[in-house]
Amino acid sequence: AQSVTQLGSHVSVSEGALVLLRCNYSSSVPPYLFWYVQYPNQGLQLLLKYTTGATLVKGINGFEAEFKKSETSFHLTKPSAHMSDAAEYFCAVSDGSASKIIFGSGTRLSIRP
Amino acid sequence: KAGVTQTPRYLIKTRGQQVTLSCSPISGHRSVSWYQQTPGQGLQFLFEYFSETQRNKGNFPGRFSGRQFSNSRSEMNVSTLELGDSALYLCASSTEAYEQYFGPGTRLTVT
Repeated sequence: AQSVTQLGSHVSVSEGALVLLRCNYSSSVPPYLFWYVQYPNQGLQLLLKYTTGATLVKGINGFEAEFKKSETSFHLTKPSAHMSDAAEYFCAVSDGSASKIIFGSGTRLSIRP
Repeated sequence: KAGVTQTPRYLIKTRGQQVTLSCSPISGHRSVSWYQQTPGQGLQFLFEYFSETQRNKGNFPGRFSGRQFSNSRSEMNVSTLELGDSALYLCASSTEAYEQYFGPGTRLTVT
């Protein structure tokens, strides 16, 4: 069975500050890991994904995440927050062979001017 | 390439009625998945169709059903609507099992 835990339902940072959204997963097989972003009244957009290979994954809008197997973590970071980053972020895990993806409960990111 | 489209975007129904939601996947995508999103339960997987066959199913009552047509378009039906069915219903299409592209969703309100 797989599961995802996102630490912190709401994170607030100042514009220009580091963004760190935490995600821990549980999986009995090598996981496929994802970060999605959802803006108000919209669907989910894939930010980045880890399947195999390089553990540091770069995504869109300046975001990146690092797969740490020993810590079962896949935290999302961005060096400098922008007002347009305010949204809901979801971490997700898949076993790669199943068609359903397990989503975390989401973290709402707010950006202070 | 056009993205995933969902119709209608907004819908208001009365308890006890039924509703059908439609999803058109990205051209060439054969897999379509449906999710329910609510503030309390978050994102929950409903079912997934691939080549007109239901391949996976989540833990929802039989009132929730779906189908997929030969052109990969999919419909989701909810019968005997309950207040708790009010949610954003998201459709996602994919070519690979692990990378999904989401539509904007259908906001269903049950009164």
